[in-house]
Amino acid sequence: QQPVQSPQAVILREGEDAVINCSSSKALYSVHWYRQKHGEAPVFLMILLKGGEQKGHEKISASFNEKKQQSSLYLTASQLSYSGTYFCGTESGSGNTPLVFGKGTRLSVIA
Amino acid sequence: KAGVTQTPRYLIKTRGQQVTLSCSPISGHRSVSWYQQTPGQGLQFLFEYFSETQRNKGNFPGRFSGRQFSNSRSEMNVSTLELGDSALYLCASSLGPTNEKLFFGSGTQLSVL
Repeated sequence: QQPVQSPQAVILREGEDAVINCSSSKALYSVHWYRQKHGEAPVFLMILLKGGEQKGHEKISASFNEKKQQSSLYLTASQLSYSGTYFCGTESGSGNTPLVFGKGTRLSVIA
Repeated sequence: KAGVTQTPRYLIKTRGQQVTLSCSPISGHRSVSWYQQTPGQGLQFLFEYFSETQRNKGNFPGRFSGRQFSNSRSEMNVSTLELGDSALYLCASSLGPTNEKLFFGSGTQLSVL
């Protein structure tokens, strides 16, 4: 089942922070985050495995709450280059299942 | 190292026709996955291949099929095209059979008229 992302869209000014959430009704094994800029291929950001691990990638970090079956992506001090659509992909059960992506969150950073 | 290559970049077909899309993964990658992307629906999983074997298949009709060759290159075929098949078809490759970091190609934009 497709995970639910919120918000669907957000507009930020440079330097502002944002949080993108990804929730699933299934027990999750892992959560994957990708960013797709307009007209380009999705690009990998990070993978989080069950266990509540938090990961970081420059000023972009994420957490994974196994009990709540949700993950959050944190973007701090946003830059114009952060604009794009962010997708979470979830892997359920014990792994080895297809990665199911949410519908995406469109992030626009303006000067 | 070359990235994932998908051909053709654009395709225009009419209803009822069939189409074949091609994907060349990154050298050394043995897993290839296919996704359909439409506005507002995100990425819908089609199928995944590893070492020429289909490991997983998404909820798409039998008109959608695929295969992987011994050099890891993959093709997907859509027969009896419908208007609703218009979409961006993305291919992604990874090293192994598990859901590791996926490297996506730029996709094939299919328009069905």
